[in-house]
Amino acid sequence: DAGVTQSPTHLIKTRGQQVTLRCSPKSGHDTVSWYQQALGQGPQFIFQYYEEEERQRGNFPDRFSGHQFPNYSSELNVNALLLGDSALYLCASSSSGTGGRLSNYGYTFGSGTRLTVV
Amino acid sequence: GQNIDQPTEMTATEGAIVQINCTYQTSGFNGLFWYQQHAGEAPTFLSYNVLDGLEEKGRFSSFLSRSKGYSYLLLKELQMKDSASYLCAVRDLRTGNQFYFGTGTSLTVIP
Repeated sequence: DAGVTQSPTHLIKTRGQQVTLRCSPKSGHDTVSWYQQALGQGPQFIFQYYEEEERQRGNFPDRFSGHQFPNYSSELNVNALLLGDSALYLCASSSSGTGGRLSNYGYTFGSGTRLTVV
Repeated sequence: GQNIDQPTEMTATEGAIVQINCTYQTSGFNGLFWYQQHAGEAPTFLSYNVLDGLEEKGRFSSFLSRSKGYSYLLLKELQMKDSASYLCAVRDLRTGNQFYFGTGTSLTVIP
């Protein structure tokens, strides 16, 4: 049973460029959340996608956008990259469950994409 | 918002017991989670508490007191491979059950 897969694993971009990160959720999961983890910090919530729509959003500027496809996979796009966008970007999938009940086991995280902006 | 506090660093000896504390403030509490994260890797689930008390899972146990906004992760019989960052996360019902993480506690196990 494949877990959460993210691509690419590492990426180097120049300030001002745009980047797209990809995530395939764990089999059976329909909800995808994206997190940014700066070095030495905990993951910070960017946004969550369910039924191809952005459901919740953290405190991130509009330069961060996303998309979810009918197969539940998701993309994170970042425009006009800044040096401060350098971080590990984590994708986490979960199941909406039945009747709104969520799994007690929280999210399943992917291994992340390490983005370096130079 | 959510205020989640945990110590930045801890050091413990192989074979010993270590307790990592976490305090939180949220009005929409819907569960507290502990994750382990080795350097450069994804966080992996360790434990979950939604009711007060102790949850035991092998060498790992987690405790929750909702009235005090307090949790701890207890690691017994420490092994060198336990050296990692331990993340405390709170799930918040008010924001669609999103997870909010602390900055993590970097645990170093020494021989």
